[in-house]
Amino acid sequence: EVQLVESGGGLVQPGGSLRLSCAVSGFTFSDHKMDWVRRAPGKGLEWVGRSRNKVNSYTTEYAASVKGRFTISRDDSKNSLYLQMNSLKTEDTAVYYCARVVKGGSYSNFDYWGQGTLVTVSS
Amino acid sequence: QSVLTQPPSASGTPGQRVTISCSGSSSNIGSSTVNWYQHLPGTAPKLLIFSDNQRPSGVPDRFSGSRSGTSASLAITGLQSVDETDYFCAAWDDSLNGVVFGGGTKLTVL
Repeated sequence: EVQLVESGGGLVQPGGSLRLSCAVSGFTFSDHKMDWVRRAPGKGLEWVGRSRNKVNSYTTEYAASVKGRFTISRDDSKNSLYLQMNSLKTEDTAVYYCARVVKGGSYSNFDYWGQGTLVTVSS
Repeated sequence: QSVLTQPPSASGTPGQRVTISCSGSSSNIGSSTVNWYQHLPGTAPKLLIFSDNQRPSGVPDRFSGSRSGTSASLAITGLQSVDETDYFCAAWDDSLNGVVFGGGTKLTVL
C-alpha cells in the first residue's frame, strides 16, 4: 500500500524556519519525482516545488513565491522528501502536502498525496 | 490570482449534470494535458481525471474531462451529495517551469 506521511508542521514566528518531512512507503521512492503542494486557509491549491529523481540529476524547481526561501531535498536511502522553509511569512500559513508524480505521465499528474501537515506563521 | 481560471462556484440538484471550466494559455493548457483534483479541506487531495479525460481506477464514470485549445472542462453527471466539495484543474506551465493550478471551484449540491 502506497503511503505518504508528512510531519514537522507547527507554529513559527515570521522570519523563522521550519523543516517538513515526507516519509513514503509502498513504492520505489527513487523512481519518482516528488512535489510539495500547499493550501492556505480559504485559498486554493498552490504548487510549491519539485524534486526530480536520480535519473533526472536530482534537480529541483520552485514556485516564484518561495524561490530563494524554500529548499527541497530528498534522501532515497531513507525514502524521504524534505522541505526546508526559511524566512517564513504569514502568507506561508497553509497545510503542506507531499505528492507523488506519476512516472511517465504528465508533469502535473499526482496520483498519491499525503494527509498534510499544518504550518502556521504568526507572531 | 491563479494562472488557470475556474469559476469560484458551481451548483446543481441531485441527478443533474454540471460542468466546471478551466481556462489557461498556450504555455500551459495549450501545450500540456490537464489533470483534475477533488479536495475536501482536511483530507488528502484526490486525482479525479488525468491526461485530459482518463479516470483512475475507482473513480466513477459519472466524472469525465475534456480539453480543447487553451481550455478544459470537467463534467459530472448524476450529481450526488457526496460530490459537494472543491475541484481544481492543473497543468504544467512551460513558461513558469512549474505546475499551475486553477483557483478552485466549490461545488454545491442543492
